[in-house]
This record gives sequence, structure tokens and C-alpha cells, in this order.
Amino acid sequence: QKEVEQNSGPLSVPEGAIASLNCTYSDRGSQSFFWYRQYSGKSPELIMSIYSNGDKEDGRFTAQLNKASQYVSLLIRDSQPSDSATYLCAIPLGGGYQKVTFGTGTKLQVIP
Amino acid sequence: GAVVSQHPSWVICKSGTSVKIECRSLDFQATTMFWYRQFPKQSLMLMATSNEGSKATYEQGVEKDKFLINHASLTLSTLTVTSAHPEDSSFYICSARATSGRGDEQFFGPGTRLTVL
Repeated sequence: QKEVEQNSGPLSVPEGAIASLNCTYSDRGSQSFFWYRQYSGKSPELIMSIYSNGDKEDGRFTAQLNKASQYVSLLIRDSQPSDSATYLCAIPLGGGYQKVTFGTGTKLQVIP
Repeated sequence: GAVVSQHPSWVICKSGTSVKIECRSLDFQATTMFWYRQFPKQSLMLMATSNEGSKATYEQGVEKDKFLINHASLTLSTLTVTSAHPEDSSFYICSARATSGRGDEQFFGPGTRLTVL
């Protein structure tokens, strides 16, 4: 099992719909969870961080964390074509922060 | 979020030459910086972790003598690709760890696109 796993996609959703991106991880000791957005040819941009079980909302974005099931998800409401990008799940494994492991990313396509 | 800059944003060089890439944290001090490489349509690959004042920790398979990392201050880390070859052509991205009341977060520079002819 990979340490941080994401479906590579592409995930296609119509404009205005909810996009749901999922990530599973192997280390039960992980305490911090991050979602990055990467446009083609650009570097990743931090969009959400979550540390506690449950939901965390920021504008159209909601991060959901379930430590018991070892998954973290990102919901994008009212998806826009500008949301089309690759979304990377990032988790510092081993409880500390020295080494963050990135998933391979899920490519999201929002169809106008 | 915190701002990280990289210079240059792109560079083209001849095979056999060395290229230095700078990574700076502009509005915070970063004791830890990371260097990544990304080939087209592939995911980020961590090359090394750079800690201020100490030797970098390289990931398995990354040649430390080829990719020289120096983290001489809390705001600057440099990556030097020595004797570059066409297979080193890639997108090199640095990031810096920032600690705030929310915990540790990692912010990326804009990346440097290296093309070796």
C-alpha cells in the first residue's frame, strides 16, 4: 500500500457541481493533512490544512478528515472552470514534520 | 500565506555546465526547506531536505555530489546542479516550512524550469 494514495483521475464534473476528491494514508500517527492545488506548469499552492477529525470549511472548499478510517477528502462546491487543476494531498508521515509525503494527485476537470 | 521566491524562473544551459537555483523565504524564517523535482505529467519527487546550518538529507537515489544543497541562512537555500545533462531537464521546486499558531505548513516557490541542451 502506498503511503499516501489518490485516484489519478481525471475527475470530470460539470460547472456548478460539487467535486469530491479523496485521499487515503497508511500512517495512523499522522496529525496534519494538507491539500494543494497545482495548475499545469505551475508550482503547488496550499489551499487547505486540517488537523482534527470532522469538517473544515473555507469558502467553497471543505476538507473532511476521518482518522479512524485514515482518509481525508476535499469538497469543492459550485465548481468553476478555474478550479480545473491537479489536487495534491500531502501528509507528514511519522507524526513529525520533517518529511511530507505527497500523493500523486487527482486531476480535476470542470466542464463549462 | 507565506511567500517563497525562486530564481531564476527558467534557465537553459549547455550539457556539462553547472546551474545554481536560489530559494528564498521572503517574509518568514525557514529552518527547513525542501527541494523537489517534477517531470512532465508526473508527481512531485522529493530530492532532499535542507536544514539551516547542517548538511542536507537526500532521498534515496538522489546523488548528493550532483545536486549540491546549501542552506546558509534562515531565508536562503540553494540547489546547484553540477555537470548538468539533458536528463536533468525538469521543473525544480523548492518549498519552505513555516510554523504558525495553526502548526507547520509548507509553502512552495514558483519553480525553476531547467532545460539542458
